[in-house]
Amino acid sequence: DTGVSQDPRHKITKRGQNVTFRCDPISEHNRLYWYRQTLGQGPEFLTYFQNEAQLEKSRLLSDRFSAERPKGSFSTLEIQRTEQGDSAMYLCASSTNRLNEQFFGPGTRLTVL
Amino acid sequence: GNSVTQMEGPVTLSEEAFLTINCTYTATGYPSLFWYVQYPGEGLQLLLKATKADDKGSNKGFEATYRKETTSFHLEKGSVQVSDSAVYFCALNLGYGNKLVFGAGTILRVKS
Repeated sequence: DTGVSQDPRHKITKRGQNVTFRCDPISEHNRLYWYRQTLGQGPEFLTYFQNEAQLEKSRLLSDRFSAERPKGSFSTLEIQRTEQGDSAMYLCASSTNRLNEQFFGPGTRLTVL
Repeated sequence: GNSVTQMEGPVTLSEEAFLTINCTYTATGYPSLFWYVQYPGEGLQLLLKATKADDKGSNKGFEATYRKETTSFHLEKGSVQVSDSAVYFCALNLGYGNKLVFGAGTILRVKS
């Protein structure tokens, strides 16, 4: 059983560019979560999916952020017109309806110059 | 709102010392409580959890008891090892499988 994987692990971009991250959950996990973690802070919730439906979005998720999970398997998180304040670690986690535990991927570290 | 407050770090201990990391929470309902650990260069891993008042979660020598009267979930270990050096996060959720609300994390450094 492979764990949650995320790609890329690191991304450096210039301000104003668009970036897209991918998350592959544990197979058969129907719930998928995105969090953002800045230096010295705990992860903050961004959004989550049950299958392909996006059930909740945080107010942190501005209009520049969009997440999809088109077939209920992998998910993508896109940030348009990146800003320096978007620099953070973006974490993905997966779970099921029957588990009260989330399994985290290694994260994608974004640096916006 | 829902929030978690952890003691600030870093916490520096000698090997075999007793560890306590304090965690208190504020919640609008009856949360489940979690401790996650992040070892250097690795992702977050669940360390232990408790889903109702007076439950004790335990794993790898770590323990935490869900105290509703003091809204606390302090992490303890009787004898730490160098390999326990990591960042520890206290977290809660309201409802099975719902989003996690994390504290800021506490860095633990164990010296040999």
